[in-house]
Amino acid sequence: DAKTTQPPSMDCAEGRAANLPCNHSTISGNEYVYWYRQIHSQGPQYIIHGLKNNETNEMASLIITEDRKSSTLILPHATLRDTAVYYCIVISQAAGNKLTFGGGTRVLVKP
Amino acid sequence: DTGVSQDPRHKITKRGQNVTFRCDPISEHNRLYWYRQTLGQGPEFLTYFQNEAQLEKSRLLSDRFSAERPKGSFSTLEIQRTEQGDSAMYLCASRFEGVMDYGYTFGSGTRLTVV
Repeated sequence: DAKTTQPPSMDCAEGRAANLPCNHSTISGNEYVYWYRQIHSQGPQYIIHGLKNNETNEMASLIITEDRKSSTLILPHATLRDTAVYYCIVISQAAGNKLTFGGGTRVLVKP
Repeated sequence: DTGVSQDPRHKITKRGQNVTFRCDPISEHNRLYWYRQTLGQGPEFLTYFQNEAQLEKSRLLSDRFSAERPKGSFSTLEIQRTEQGDSAMYLCASRFEGVMDYGYTFGSGTRLTVV
């Protein structure tokens, strides 16, 4: 599975949009981009995933560049409860499909 | 079905003792994964099952570790002769193989402290 690169940390103001970048320059054609977050002392929580097209759900939007080498997770109106570590993961449809977590981005939403 | 359940939530044990953790996945999920997470790090893959078959084990899973999923439903992870380095959060996740439309669902984990 392709590796990902994320900034180690970022701050965001409450009520503002949070844009979390992820670089996955070695991604291959059948690999998906998944985003998870982990709030302190809890298990990771699924946010969103995509293959080629931009995706939106009730939690966030995922913007994938045309060459698929990078993506951005957008939390449209960050709240204090969005403070967490956010993981960008690239995964293939191959057997196993195990998630390989990197260091993630520690997001602190400030009032 | 309320998601993936893990039991216990916390376990404190003395070095050298054996411990066993349980994971109850979402009932229709045929894939079950175990991860370990140490402080400040992302979760690391340990092993996974498809139904009752254990299909892959990480090199992190030493001989002291064993996992089972006897009837393709719940799973147990046992650590024998615990060491202080085994102190970590042990996470379980499940999904339905072949369906990429949904994410993996994680439990809240079992936090192990070896003293």
